[in-house]
Amino acid sequence: EVQLVESGGDLVQPGGSLRLSCEASGFNFHNYAMHWVRQAPGKRLESVSSTSGDGTYTFYVNSVKGRFTISRDNSKATLYLQMGSLRVDDTGVYYCVRRFGSAYDYWGQGTLVTVSS
Amino acid sequence: DIQMTQSPSSLSASVGDTVTITCRASQGINNYLAWYQQKPGKAPKLLIYTASTLQSGVPSRFSGSGSGTDFTLTISSLQPEDVATYYCQKFDNAPYAFGQGTKLEIK
Repeated sequence: EVQLVESGGDLVQPGGSLRLSCEASGFNFHNYAMHWVRQAPGKRLESVSSTSGDGTYTFYVNSVKGRFTISRDNSKATLYLQMGSLRVDDTGVYYCVRRFGSAYDYWGQGTLVTVSS
Repeated sequence: DIQMTQSPSSLSASVGDTVTITCRASQGINNYLAWYQQKPGKAPKLLIYTASTLQSGVPSRFSGSGSGTDFTLTISSLQPEDVATYYCQKFDNAPYAFGQGTKLEIK
């Protein structure tokens, strides 16, 4: 059974940093591109970052470019999102998702990031 | 960047009804369109990909169609458990934008 379990969400002050983790199991992690999708309260879903199976290709949406870094450790089947210079509008639930072709077929349960003073 | 717009933003229908949700892309995306269902407090669930392919395990009352810029999600014989917010997502090129969502309620 495919499972994605996020952790690391917390309350942090504006300008602070946070690292999210996503432990994957039940599939060959290195064979899949992985993405982070966030959902701010009452807002639409937003795909913020992605990485290829071997980690050589990464993508960031403009609003997080230069502040967030996505990485993966295939030996541990774990995906990371290092978040820096956090802003109030980074608040939301962050989901780890698996890309399957032209869709996200598995989602984690999400981890809540709250940026507030 | 290509923008995704759904309509309506919300709708209410009766059990047994057929419901249609529309998603429009600001530029053509071929058939690179996915639909998701999100129930309150839960992660989204994939329903349909490449515009019309039903994800394994999803009831056949869900169907999708369209290509280019205009797409539809149809739910036939609406069931109480279909109460949720539905999102479309483009998957041609990054960024993989979502629509704003359509909240479906039962009358």
